[in-house]
Amino acid sequence: SAVISQKPSRDICQRGTSLTIQCQVDSQVTMMFWYRQQPGQSLTLIATANQGSEATYESGFVIDKFPISRPNLTFSTLTVSNMSPEDSSIYLCSVVGGEAYEQYFGPGTRLTVT
Amino acid sequence: SQQGEEDPQALSIQEGENATMNCSYKTSINNLQWYRQNSGRGLVHLILIRSNEREKHSGRLRVTLDTSKKSSSLLITASRAADTASYFCATDAQASNTGKLIFGQGTTLQVKP
Repeated sequence: SAVISQKPSRDICQRGTSLTIQCQVDSQVTMMFWYRQQPGQSLTLIATANQGSEATYESGFVIDKFPISRPNLTFSTLTVSNMSPEDSSIYLCSVVGGEAYEQYFGPGTRLTVT
Repeated sequence: SQQGEEDPQALSIQEGENATMNCSYKTSINNLQWYRQNSGRGLVHLILIRSNEREKHSGRLRVTLDTSKKSSSLLITASRAADTASYFCATDAQASNTGKLIFGQGTTLQVKP
């Protein structure tokens, strides 16, 4: 299985500011994703991070709010822009690996917006 | 919208008992995966079952899949206090092959020592 790290692990931010979350994988992967988990909720897919091209966003998520970079096959960033308290969530990156396309998740970034 | 529904939403058992969680989904799938999440941390991958498989085991975990009923169950045998966590099922969409997962609402399991 892939080993995934995320930075920061948690942060408290003021509304109106932006935070960039980093995701690093220990091996090259084709498929990488960003998910959001709001308090007490399940996970929702934000976007697919495509290497060398723009990310593909799910309904309800837009590039201006959640810009994503994927400069290579082991690294991606997600920025949460112009934050509001509603953005308080855990943000997780994931990659597809393994023989049967198992999906593995990073430890998450817990964001609190005040 | 969420693909999966899980029940029960919450489950409380004594150490040593078995815990069963159920997951239902709506569309045809390639595979179904189960995850564990401790106290709002990252997700730990437990097991993947393919659409052509009916049952799979991993240690104390047993997963079944019934594609005709679009449902799956996760059984944890001889539970331990350390099994206390939230459990989620996640499915991909058979037609898409994009790797995107749709998660169920999750079951919160409490194992009392």
